[in-house]
Amino acid sequence: DTEVTQTPKHLVMGMTNKKSLKCEQHMGHRAMYWYKQKAKKPPELMFVYSYEKLSINESVPSRFSPECPNSSLLNLHLHALQPEDSALYLCASSQEGTANQPQHFGDGTRLSIL
Amino acid sequence: GENVEQHPSTLSVQEGDSAVIKCTYSDSASNYFPWYKQELGKRPQLIIDIRSNVGEKKDQRIAVTLNKTAKHFSLHITETQPEDSAVYFCAARIREYGNKLVFGAGTILRVKS
Repeated sequence: DTEVTQTPKHLVMGMTNKKSLKCEQHMGHRAMYWYKQKAKKPPELMFVYSYEKLSINESVPSRFSPECPNSSLLNLHLHALQPEDSALYLCASSQEGTANQPQHFGDGTRLSIL
Repeated sequence: GENVEQHPSTLSVQEGDSAVIKCTYSDSASNYFPWYKQELGKRPQLIIDIRSNVGEKKDQRIAVTLNKTAKHFSLHITETQPEDSAVYFCAARIREYGNKLVFGAGTILRVKS
């Protein structure tokens, strides 16, 4: 069973659309992450939230906008994406945001930009 | 830099043989090293991790060794089975670049039956 739940599983959108990816965890973790993964590549960190505050932004373009409404929820708002943004977007969570705790990944949202 | 180097990129072994994957890191302050297994179309799953105050850790057929002096760590899988076939990623906590987990490039492990 996946303890980090992501929706939707698949998303196809045009370059002018606005959509959101959602992530939820109920493990009481205080850190949540967004990663981008291209085929046959490792996950690349995008954002880290720790105690509901943005602690790391890996110079991600502003067309990606994260939001952490509470400690269990993490959203990624998408607007005016480019074809190269097509990838698997993974959410993860850990007890703390210091990167020395196990991170638990969700199943991801497979995003295709037309 | 913040790279974590991982070798080999692909590894084929016969069922029942052992598999070893090696990673090196640059940040001498790194203190946490997880390994993830990712099957095709699935999420990365943590299979084992080690902290810098320990030299070796085992969990059934899987073990990880850490050499802090040489700044490298290895994943050892014994008695490999076809279901071990997957992509394996090492990672290291890199403190000098904002306290984040940096992943190696991955190793495609194929276990032939």
